[in-house]
Amino acid sequence: AQKVTQAQTEISVVEKEDVTLDCVYETRDTTYYLFWYKQPPSGELVFLIRRNSFDEQNEISGRYSWNFQKSTSSFNFTITASQVVDSAVYFCALSEAWSGYSTLTFGKGTMLLVSP
Amino acid sequence: GAGVSQSPSNKVTEKGKDVELRCDPISGHTALYWYRQRLGQGLEFLIYFQGNSAPDKSGLPSDRFSAERTGESVSTLTIQRTQQEDSAVYLCASSLEGMAETQYFGPGTRLLVL
Repeated sequence: AQKVTQAQTEISVVEKEDVTLDCVYETRDTTYYLFWYKQPPSGELVFLIRRNSFDEQNEISGRYSWNFQKSTSSFNFTITASQVVDSAVYFCALSEAWSGYSTLTFGKGTMLLVSP
Repeated sequence: GAGVSQSPSNKVTEKGKDVELRCDPISGHTALYWYRQRLGQGLEFLIYFQGNSAPDKSGLPSDRFSAERTGESVSTLTIQRTQQEDSAVYLCASSLEGMAETQYFGPGTRLLVL
């Protein structure tokens, strides 16, 4: 079973639409960290957010917001009023205690296409 | 400050040849990671260095893959006798020492094995 599941392979929206990218994870650890990274067409992964398992507060950063729900093992990412520059592949990742938090397990990514 | 840098940006090689990929981490980052990203796929962990500790090689796919790191600086990933299935983007990341510190990624090396 996948540890990090991003069920949406590709999402297409029109500029200014809101879009939510889903991430479901699986772990036996009680302490873990979740991440979101953005990979634009240039290829370089850009860090967006890190959240530890004890902090379930939702976070907002500009047009980005994250909804962490331990009860459903989900860490979803919403972009409000999407823009063309948001077009990228977005990866959700998990870091677990058993690995000493040393490695990231990535989902397969969701490609977001925002058209004008 | 400067981010993680990798060289070369692109590498085309013939099947059976050896290749070396280089990673320069962010200054002060003691942890360094190598990942492989096949076309349209997520990232696969390859190897992890932390300070002077023995590296975690659990992700290396075969004995053709090896990596070295000199102290807390440059790392080299070597693929011997390359195969076509080795074609991928090889990404390097570095982070501060500590629990689940954020990893910052380089631009990657795109390797094509003909």
